[in-house]
Amino acid sequence: DTAVSQTPKYLVTQMGNDKSIKCEQNLGHDTMYWYKQDSKKFLKIMFSYNNKELIINETVPNRFSPKSPDKAHLNLHINSLELGDSAVYFCASSQGRGGAGGELFFGEGSRLTVL
Amino acid sequence: QKEVEQDPGPLSVPEGAIVSLNCTYSNSAFQYFMWYRQYSRKGPELLMYTYSSGNKEDGRFTAQVDKSSKYISLFIRDSQPSDSATYLCAMRSTGRRALTFGSGTRLQVQP
Repeated sequence: DTAVSQTPKYLVTQMGNDKSIKCEQNLGHDTMYWYKQDSKKFLKIMFSYNNKELIINETVPNRFSPKSPDKAHLNLHINSLELGDSAVYFCASSQGRGGAGGELFFGEGSRLTVL
Repeated sequence: QKEVEQDPGPLSVPEGAIVSLNCTYSNSAFQYFMWYRQYSRKGPELLMYTYSSGNKEDGRFTAQVDKSSKYISLFIRDSQPSDSATYLCAMRSTGRRALTFGSGTRLQVQP
């Protein structure tokens, strides 16, 4: 059983389109994240939700809007896609907001290509 | 300057070699230090986890943290071709779970 699953795995689209990526975790964790990995493999935090509450919102364009309908699901909607949005988007989950233990578990990534 | 610096490599070694991977960081609030391994087209998976300074060993892998120098290392003994991957250091403070990552070092172990 996949612990953190993302769909779709691959997404190719035109500039200006709107697209969504979905994430689900079955680990029973209460915190979920979106990370962006650029072509140089650099992973950068975008958003984090704890029990459906947005707790981290890094400097990300307003075109990116996360939504967490419940603590097991986290979606990412992107409006008006730009070439620079091409990247691999990783969903992750963990237990708790801080302190010891509860490290991050990642999905396999959603590879977005904007043409 | 990035909070976490890591040499991108690639680092190419023969099978059986000892590999040393390193990261430096600038944020003295970081208390938890991790190494993740990422195979091509896969998500990162946790390899080693260390709290504060010290060493931790797990099989062929040893993680070291020197907080006074703001320097962490991962050693791989008897490296295998299956160790070929990108190794990402990651760290965080006590206050939050979100990790700050290095840019990753690509390792190739030649049979």
